[in-house]
Amino acid sequence: DAGVIQSPRHEVTEMGQEVTLRCKPISGHDYLFWYRQTMMRGLELLIYFNNNVPIDDSGMPEDRFSAKMPNASFSTLKIQPSEPRDSAVYFCASSQLIGLADLDTQYFGPGTRLTVL
Amino acid sequence: KQEVTQIPAALSVPEGENLVLNCSFTDSAIYNLQWFRQDPGKGLTSLLLIQSSQREQTSGRLNASLDKSSGRSTLYIAASQPGDSATYLCAVRHNYGQNFVFGPGTRLSVLP
Repeated sequence: DAGVIQSPRHEVTEMGQEVTLRCKPISGHDYLFWYRQTMMRGLELLIYFNNNVPIDDSGMPEDRFSAKMPNASFSTLKIQPSEPRDSAVYFCASSQLIGLADLDTQYFGPGTRLTVL
Repeated sequence: KQEVTQIPAALSVPEGENLVLNCSFTDSAIYNLQWFRQDPGKGLTSLLLIQSSQREQTSGRLNASLDKSSGRSTLYIAASQPGDSATYLCAVRHNYGQNFVFGPGTRLSVLP
């Protein structure tokens, strides 16, 4: 398997523009997580899905952020409108059957580095 | 609210040294604890996962221990190598939730 795939790897945009980040989880994984990493706040969970259904979105900072998972092999994280404080590295991760020993490992994608000017 | 801290924030050692990285968490009601490695500009790679009922896990030169009652975990790296240079993060998962809470990480530099 190619691992978790994220696109784009780098995104530079201007304040007010819409940004869409994409993620393809590992085939067969039924959990998908979106994280944001900054120097100030470290790694924060934004939202996670189980079987394409959002389970916990309490980490989503505000209404400008939305995430979807239309099928088991694709998820998007959208920011509209974007602001400079959204600049961060956004990671997607997937895992299989949380709660089962040795299958609880999360596999991370390479991340998308977002810069909002 | 679970808080995870890691000490030290940064560590620089000469090649060949044995070293210990520390992780502390405030709520002992955890399901498991995981250690990750992050290389610059890359995602996280899982190193070791310890279930709450376990005391330690070993993989090669790495050994992770867990003391749930005191809210502590350590990652022991034996005979460190320059290739071990990276940021090491610990993360805990609650009994009552599915998400991981991450520590801020320890940035390790192993000098040749």
